Amino acid sequence: DAGVIQSPRHEVTEMGQEVTLRCKPISGHDYLFWYRQTMMRGLELLIYFNNNVPIDDSGMPEDRFSAKMPNASFSTLKIQPSEPRDSAVYFCASSLWILTGGLPQHFGDGTRLSIL
Amino acid sequence: RKEVEQDPGPFNVPEGATVAFNCTYSNSASQSFFWYRQDCRKEPKLLMSVYSSGNEDGRFTAQLNRASQYISLLIRDSKLSDSATYLCAVEKGGYQKVTFGTGTKLQVIP
Repeated sequence: DAGVIQSPRHEVTEMGQEVTLRCKPISGHDYLFWYRQTMMRGLELLIYFNNNVPIDDSGMPEDRFSAKMPNASFSTLKIQPSEPRDSAVYFCASSLWILTGGLPQHFGDGTRLSIL
Repeated sequence: RKEVEQDPGPFNVPEGATVAFNCTYSNSASQSFFWYRQDCRKEPKLLMSVYSSGNEDGRFTAQLNRASQYISLLIRDSKLSDSATYLCAVEKGGYQKVTFGTGTKLQVIP
């Protein structure tokens, strides 16, 4: 079975440019999460969706960040304009809620983002 | 106080040793608990869910202590391949929102 697919794997761009990260969740999963990981702050939840609807975006750093999930098989995280402090690894994860087991998450390989 | 706290380590243990990590959480309404393993420059991978009665998967045992609000992971007969960072994750009941700890680094030494 295909896992969570993220693209691109690496992105290097200059400050001020727009960055778009993409994610394809595991088929049948009804939750999708976007995380950011840095050495200093660890793994931070940015936003999550349930059945394509954003549920909690309180982790989105500021208005420069936006996320969409137009359908069950695709989501994007956009940063515009990008800044050097946005450099991090961005993970997408998906999950199927289990009544007795909660939300075990399956992560994509991540996108390593460097803003120069 | 952080929602989820872990000792960052590193824990340096010899092959064959038994090692245990704890993870404390602050919200007593937390419902679901997980351990993930993350290798250097890789994505977190689900290791095991933690059930109220405790659960075991081969050399790995996970336990939940609701009274003291912590979960634990015990690794027996450590292998070199167990070297990684172990992240705990706690899901707040009713919100389906998961908070991760910052991870505990384990280094198994030959």
